[in-house]
Amino acid sequence: QQQVKQSPQSLIVQKGGISIINCAYENTAFDYFPWYQQFPGKGPALLIAIRPDVSEKKEGRFTISFNKSAKQFSLHIMDSQPGDSATYFCAASRLGSARQLTFGSGTQLTVLP
Amino acid sequence: SQTIHQWPATLVQPVGSPLSLECTVEGTSNPNLYWYRQAAGRGLQLLFYSIGIDQISSEVPQNLSASRPQDRQFILSSKKLLLSDSGFYLCAWSGLVLFDEQYFGPGTRLTVT
Repeated sequence: QQQVKQSPQSLIVQKGGISIINCAYENTAFDYFPWYQQFPGKGPALLIAIRPDVSEKKEGRFTISFNKSAKQFSLHIMDSQPGDSATYFCAASRLGSARQLTFGSGTQLTVLP
Repeated sequence: SQTIHQWPATLVQPVGSPLSLECTVEGTSNPNLYWYRQAAGRGLQLLFYSIGIDQISSEVPQNLSASRPQDRQFILSSKKLLLSDSGFYLCAWSGLVLFDEQYFGPGTRLTVT
């Protein structure tokens, strides 16, 4: 009920291509869905987030698509660059005393030059 | 602006030794604070969270404990480390206004030998 399933585990994309990472959740009480970017040896950095009242959110080259009925959301990275090579985590949280995040297992993205 | 610090950055400890990791946040008051553990190549597992001084909630029963002696200080401890305690420990905070958004520190790499 608390799981967030993320796929693929790894992704290789050519420079300029589109990277797509998918996540699915089970708990319908989740109402906040962030994506984090993590470089090796660093803490995760908040990239972009969405709430269920919208189906899409775009910030620069990063877009979240959200499908409430399917309980799925995805991250699209347009015009992928070698500097985007990192591990990406989706997460979800629900209203509560501290908004605990449940994370997906991560996707290692490699963008080839 | 807000800043989160963690130390030490790396730590090598023998099995059975004690542990103390520290996290401090600057530039905000009354933050929610979180401890996560990340095993190699894995996602993030929430260990503890705190909504105020001396208010600690545990998510995973284990030989670790957490304390919050001051508003912006969060400490992760163990009396006797196990090999399975090795990992990347991350502290995070969220604010009172944008309480959904969690921001992570640089992490502590712990190796138990």
